[in-house]
Amino acid sequence: NAGVTQTPKFRVLKTGQSMTLLCAQDMNHEYMYWYRQDPGMGLRLIHYSVGEGTTAKGEVPDGYNVSRLKKQNFLLGLESAAPSQTSVYFCASSQRWTGQANTGELFFGEGSRLTVL
Amino acid sequence: GESVGLHLPTLSVQEGDNSIINCAYSNSASDYFIWYKQESGKGPQFIIDIRSNMDKRQGQRVTVLLNKTVKHLSLQIAATQPGDSAVYFCAEILTYSGNTPLVFGKGTRLSVIA
Repeated sequence: NAGVTQTPKFRVLKTGQSMTLLCAQDMNHEYMYWYRQDPGMGLRLIHYSVGEGTTAKGEVPDGYNVSRLKKQNFLLGLESAAPSQTSVYFCASSQRWTGQANTGELFFGEGSRLTVL
Repeated sequence: GESVGLHLPTLSVQEGDNSIINCAYSNSASDYFIWYKQESGKGPQFIIDIRSNMDKRQGQRVTVLLNKTVKHLSLQIAATQPGDSAVYFCAEILTYSGNTPLVFGKGTRLSVIA
C-alpha cells in the first residue's frame, strides 16, 4: 500500500520558472493538504481540499495554486518561482471526519525538496 | 500568528530515561490535539491524539497529558530509545468540525544519548 506519494522528490529551479508538484493517495481520502516546512518554522499550511473539485487557502497561499481534479490527486503549482519558496513541501491526506468514528490523523508523503536559485 | 508553540526547541535524553516534550496552545476553543514524530528525511507520522474532554491518554510507551486550565499539552516517552530521536510536533484543530486543518507547532528535536 503506497499511501501518499509525492513527485518529484527533488527539484532545482531558477527564479521565474514554473513547476508542478504532484501528490497522489491511494487511501480514498476526502481531504488533502499541502504544507511547507522551513527550518524553525514547523509545518505551515499552503492550500487544502475537502473533496474532489474543491480547494481552499491555508496560512501561506500566496505564490501557489492548486487543483483537485481527481479525488486521488492534489497538484501544487508555482507559476513564477521565487527564492523565498525554497523549502520542503509535504502533501498529506485524511479521511472525512465522522465525529467519534475516526481520528484527525493526517498521512504524510515523504516530502519534495525544492530549491529556487 | 501561530497559536501552537513549544517550550523547548531541543531536548537531549539519556537512553532508558523518560522524555517529556511540552507544547502550549493559546486558543481555548481548540478541542483536538495530535502529536507527530518526524524522522530525518521523512514525513511526519502520527503518534497519539487526545480530545479536549480527556486529560490523559496512553499508548505504547507514550502518554499525552492535556491541561486545559493552563492550555498545556505534553508528550511523555517512557524508556527512551535511540529510535525515538526525531523532531516532535504538536498540532491542534480549532474546532471539531473536520473541515479545519491542523495547525502545527514549530517542533522539538529529541536527541537520545546512548
